[in-house]
Amino acid sequence: QSALAQPASVSGSPGQSITISCTGTSSDVGAYNYVSWHQQHPGKAPKLMIYDVNNRPSGVSNRFSGSKSGNTASLTISGLQAEDEGDYYCSTYTGSSTPYVFGTGTKVTVL
Amino acid sequence: EVQVLESGGGLVQPGGSLRLSCAASGFTFTDYAMTWVRQAPGKGLEWVSTINDNGGRTYHADSVKGRFTISRDNPNNTLYLQMNSLRADDTAIYFCAQTRGAHSFGPHSWGQGTLVTVSS
Repeated sequence: QSALAQPASVSGSPGQSITISCTGTSSDVGAYNYVSWHQQHPGKAPKLMIYDVNNRPSGVSNRFSGSKSGNTASLTISGLQAEDEGDYYCSTYTGSSTPYVFGTGTKVTVL
Repeated sequence: EVQVLESGGGLVQPGGSLRLSCAASGFTFTDYAMTWVRQAPGKGLEWVSTINDNGGRTYHADSVKGRFTISRDNPNNTLYLQMNSLRADDTAIYFCAQTRGAHSFGPHSWGQGTLVTVSS
C-alpha cells in the first residue's frame, strides 16, 4: 500500500483560496468516503481538520472544506490566513492488509 | 474534553525494547478504537497500529508487524504499544489518537507525542 500522493507545496496570498489534492486509487480514496485531512504546525501534534471527506470537527473554521472526485480528494482553504501555514496530510481507510494510509504531505505557505 | 497523553519514550539501543503508554480521559474509552501513528524526524506521518474497542482486533503496518504489539487496558483507560527488536528506522515521535468509533482507524483526537530514539 503506497502513500497517497500530495503536492509537496502550495502557496497563496492572504485572503486567497488554495486547494490541496490527494490522489489515491480505486482501492482506497475511490472506494471509501473516509478521507481525512490533518493540519500540523512545526513542532506540534497534528490536528484533524476534515473527516469523512467533507465533515468538519467542532471548532474547525468553515474556511476549510473537503471534497472528492473519483480517486482524488481535495482540501480547500478559503480566505487564507497566516495561521494556516503548516503541513497538511490526507489519510484514508483502505480495506487492505494495510488498512490505513497517509498522504505524503503538503507544505502550505502564506505569501 | 478529550485528552490522550503518551509516555514511555526515550533512548534505546538497536535490538532493544520499549513500551509506550497512552492515558485517555474525557471520553468513554471502551466506545472507541485507538490508533498509533509515528513521524520520523523531518518526515511525514505513518500509520503504525490500531486496536478496536474491546481489544479483540488488532492491526499493524507491515513495517512493524511481528515486532510491535498494540494492546489496551479498558478498566484503566490506557493504550499500549510494545516495541521489540527496535531498529534505527523506528526512531520517531509516536502519537496516540482516539478514532471516531469502535471499529474506526483514522485519528480524530491526537496526543502530543512521545519521542523514541533508537541508537547505540
